[in-house]
Amino acid sequence: KNEVEQSPQNLTAQEGEFITINCSYSVGISALHWLQQHPGGGIVSLFMLSSGKKKHGRLIATINIQEKHSSLHITASHPRDSAVYICAVLHFNYGGSQGNLIFGKGTKLSVKP
Amino acid sequence: NAGVMQNPRHLVRRRGQEARLRCSPMKGHSHVYWYRQLPEEGLKFMVYLQKENIIDESGMPKERFSAEFPKEGPSILRIQQVVRGDSAAYFCASSPPGQKQETQYFGPGTRLLVL
Repeated sequence: KNEVEQSPQNLTAQEGEFITINCSYSVGISALHWLQQHPGGGIVSLFMLSSGKKKHGRLIATINIQEKHSSLHITASHPRDSAVYICAVLHFNYGGSQGNLIFGKGTKLSVKP
Repeated sequence: NAGVMQNPRHLVRRRGQEARLRCSPMKGHSHVYWYRQLPEEGLKFMVYLQKENIIDESGMPKERFSAEFPKEGPSILRIQQVVRGDSAAYFCASSPPGQKQETQYFGPGTRLLVL
């Protein structure tokens, strides 16, 4: 079993729909990242969070540390949101310092006009 | 403030040649991370460096791969005697100094194709 699991693996939505992507992890973490990878391959960091909720424009990320679960929500989705969304966790036991990320396999989102 | 720079963006090598991938972190960042994304697979950690030091290389293959981050100049990921299985996208990320967790900023990646 992977340490970071995402669902769904693929998601097709109509423009304007509310979208939720889920991430569950099995290790202790100090932070969780949501990343966006566009078809051209570039990776953009959307959020880093260790508790609660963060909002940026139409994107909302939440995390429940007790349940080891995070969600990424996109409101009023648009075709330009089409990308792969990747959840990555920073393993807690990494000596207290910054360390490597463990990645989920990604959720491929396609928003149709 | 320029973002993380990687070059080349695309690299083609024949089996047995050497590949050198360069990463210039964001200004003021002293932490560099290298990740590999094999075709149809997720990103995997390779190595974490600070200036002149390798902090964690637990994700590096035992042979042929090496990384450095010298006092001056970019970080280099070096792959000797490349094989077809090395074909992948290699991403570098950087973050500022300090012990608390910081967002990692990713470069555009280098796509390596081994013929």
